[in-house]
Amino acid sequence: QVQLKESGPGLVQPSQTLSLTCTVSGFSLTSNSVHWVRQPPGKGLEWVGAIWSGGSTDYNSALKSRLSISRDTSKSQVFLKMNSLQTEDTAIYFCTRPPRYGSYEFAYWGQGTLVTVSS
Amino acid sequence: DIQMTQSPPSLSASLGETVSIECRASEDIYSNLAWYQQKSGKSPQLLIYYASSLQDGVPSRFSGSGSGTQYSLKISGMQPEDEGVYYCLQGSKYPYTFGAGTKLELK
Repeated sequence: QVQLKESGPGLVQPSQTLSLTCTVSGFSLTSNSVHWVRQPPGKGLEWVGAIWSGGSTDYNSALKSRLSISRDTSKSQVFLKMNSLQTEDTAIYFCTRPPRYGSYEFAYWGQGTLVTVSS
Repeated sequence: DIQMTQSPPSLSASLGETVSIECRASEDIYSNLAWYQQKSGKSPQLLIYYASSLQDGVPSRFSGSGSGTQYSLKISGMQPEDEGVYYCLQGSKYPYTFGAGTKLELK
């Protein structure tokens, strides 16, 4: 079955770079897009960006200058890197996937990983 | 970016009551709208996609409607397990954008 699982450092210092990994199973990254969504504690959801089945990417315009999403298809992993982290980047980061090629709604979600930006 | 204005921010409903949540887009999103339910400490769960299509396994008391810029989610008969925060998502243009959420509680 389709599964996604986020992993990452938990705590990052301000101005440093965040690196997260989404390890997927049950589907191929070359046939499906993977997206990142984040949620600050007690607040709403924010779409961060996506990597498409062909390898191209799209980013939230507010984060674009600091953000990079890439993948390793042989390891079924998607990577998020965000630099110049600020306290406002403290959030639960989810990776998620639409149910089929060409759809936009996120049907499959990881459990999320909490990233705290603090010195 | 397309702005999604969701209302109300919170509401309280009695058991069996019918509730509605609205989302208004800043431009036409051509029914590319999904609704999610999120319970505390959990990942969001997809309820409705393409404005009115019910996701597999979601109870039929949930329904969606709307077109253009105006959309709504209706719960016909509030149940205790329906408590949570509800979000709309537009998938018409990048960046995808969510509504701010509606917190639904059982009265």
